[in-house]
Amino acid sequence: GENVEQHPSTLSVQEGDSAVIKCTYSDSASNYFPWYKQELGKGPQLIIDIRSNVGEKKDQRIAVTLNKTAKHFSLHITETQPEDSAVYFCAASRRRGSYIPTFGRGTSLIVHP
Amino acid sequence: KAGVTQTPRYLIKTRGQQVTLSCSPISGHRSVSWYQQTPGQGLQFLFEYFSETQRNKGNFPGRFSGRQFSNSRSEMNVSTLELGDSALYLCASSLGGDNEQFFGPGTRLTVL
Repeated sequence: GENVEQHPSTLSVQEGDSAVIKCTYSDSASNYFPWYKQELGKGPQLIIDIRSNVGEKKDQRIAVTLNKTAKHFSLHITETQPEDSAVYFCAASRRRGSYIPTFGRGTSLIVHP
Repeated sequence: KAGVTQTPRYLIKTRGQQVTLSCSPISGHRSVSWYQQTPGQGLQFLFEYFSETQRNKGNFPGRFSGRQFSNSRSEMNVSTLELGDSALYLCASSLGGDNEQFFGPGTRLTVL
């Protein structure tokens, strides 16, 4: 089955710095890669996603890159703010919607004011 | 539009008991998925229901079961609880097909 590795497990940055979280996956058939943000006491919230036919996607301060050959994808957050502090999860699956996602173990991002 | 709601939010049970968790999806959503989140194993997919039918199932023992009603509300049942079943159980709903999933806040289950 699919295996997703996520690094680092904890990331501490100063406000205004950039943050990068990396994930690798094992199943070459995976074609959908969402990223979720989970705040304390809440469920995960989809913040950005990318499909395997795209190499990069941006949404304001957030971007995701995908390298299918190397089977890794990354989340980039620029100009971090204290409200970005949360746990971030990557996931990989074969399709969106009706799918069985495999999640990474999560990265706890702490943004210091 | 109201989000995904889960009840109860917190639950304490003892080993051997059974538990039923409830999930009300966003109005109009027909797909409901369940996940287990633990510090040790992370987020793991349990199963997905669509129009009252289980469409996908994760790698969990038969003690974990679920169902979906005609109004798309879903319940998850865990029988013969074990200490390792202590977790945050998350429900997510979507329109189905190629649409985004929206997660509820979860039910925190503690097994003593």
